[in-house]
Formats: sequence, C-alpha cells, structure tokens
Amino acid sequence: EAQVTQNPRYLITVTGKKLTVTCSQNMNHEYMSWYRQDPGLGLRQIYYSMNVEVTDKGDVPEGYKVSRKEKRNFPLILESPSPNQTSLYFCASSSGQVIYEQYFGPGTRLTVT
Amino acid sequence: SQQGEEDPQALSIQEGENATMNCSYKTSINNLQWYRQNSGRGLVHLILIRSNEREKHSGRLRVTLDTSKKSSSLLITASRAADTASYFCAIYAQGGKLIFGQGTELSVKP
Repeated sequence: EAQVTQNPRYLITVTGKKLTVTCSQNMNHEYMSWYRQDPGLGLRQIYYSMNVEVTDKGDVPEGYKVSRKEKRNFPLILESPSPNQTSLYFCASSSGQVIYEQYFGPGTRLTVT
Repeated sequence: SQQGEEDPQALSIQEGENATMNCSYKTSINNLQWYRQNSGRGLVHLILIRSNEREKHSGRLRVTLDTSKKSSSLLITASRAADTASYFCAIYAQGGKLIFGQGTELSVKP
C-alpha cells in the first residue's frame, strides 16, 4: 500500500530536549515536505526537499533542521524544542519536479512543556 | 508570508445543499490544489486546476480558477454528512514551495 508514515504519532517533551520526527514514503517520490498546522493558521511549510541531498527552507524554518540522505526518508529535527513549537506536524511527498498532488502522513502531535 | 486566504472560515449547511468555498492568493501560479482534512488527520488531495484551465470537475466537485482575480472556488454539490471536514486550498508557483490557505470548516447536517 502506497503510504507516508510518521513516527511518533504523539510526543510530549520538555523544553530543550532534542527530538527527531521520522517520515518515510514507499512511493519512490522525489519531493518531500514538512508542515506544521496551528489553529487558525492553516498549514505552514517548514522545509522541503526536491530530491536526495537537496533541501530548502519553507516559510517557517526557524528552530528546525532536516536531512535527506535517502530518497524514502525525510526526518525533522528539533535541536532545542521550545513551547512555541507545540503543534501538529505533517510530512508529505509527491512525485516529479512539479508538485501536482501531495500524499500526506497521518500527523505527529507534539507538545513541548 | 504570502498565505492564501479562504472564505468562509466556517460553513454550515443541510444535506443535499451545495457548498461553495473560495480561495484567493497573491502570486502567479502553476496550479492550485484543493485538499480535505477530517478532524486532525492527514490531508487528502481532492482536485487540481492548472493555471491555463478555468474549470474542472470530479464527481460532485467543481473547481474554478480566475487568474485575473487571483481566486478559485470549490463547489461541492448535493452535500452529504460524510463531507463534513476542513477544506484547504494550496497554491503552487514553482520549485518546492506551497502556500496553504487557513481552511474552510464545513459542517453538513443530516
């Protein structure tokens, strides 16, 4: 089954404790992206990757890091989480260099206390 | 950031009625995509319209695009209770950046 998986699905952590949210897709997609969703703000793009070893900033990259060492994986790293990073995070993937349709993961709900 | 603007923010209708939601944007686009989200779950792609298209249909969905006004509308005809969800437009210009609207929360009452 074609899918995007994220782990963990739920995470409660404390300020400053480094964490990684994993994202994996099994569709051989070139494009992957991370979004955060906050009430009233819709989805905002954090980082995206057009292919392996190619990453770029979205609209809200501060406080986040990404890497794309393999085509299927695109982890999101929070080196020193803060409470304002409490949010619902989504990973998505798409084929090709023009984005026509994104496949979304189920989401990771992160709480930073 | 140049977010898309959606209206209305919330819409409540009866089953069988039509639902229309609108999306406006500020940049030139390659395409505009509509997604659906059920209660905090992952988004699901519904329909896409390219910048050189004016109207597209998919089942009970109809999307229009007016590039001169930089706006798009999504119409859901003969709505059902199962259509209750949040609907988002996503504006794609080029490269890897997509801009999402804030969403329209649709409630369809049986």
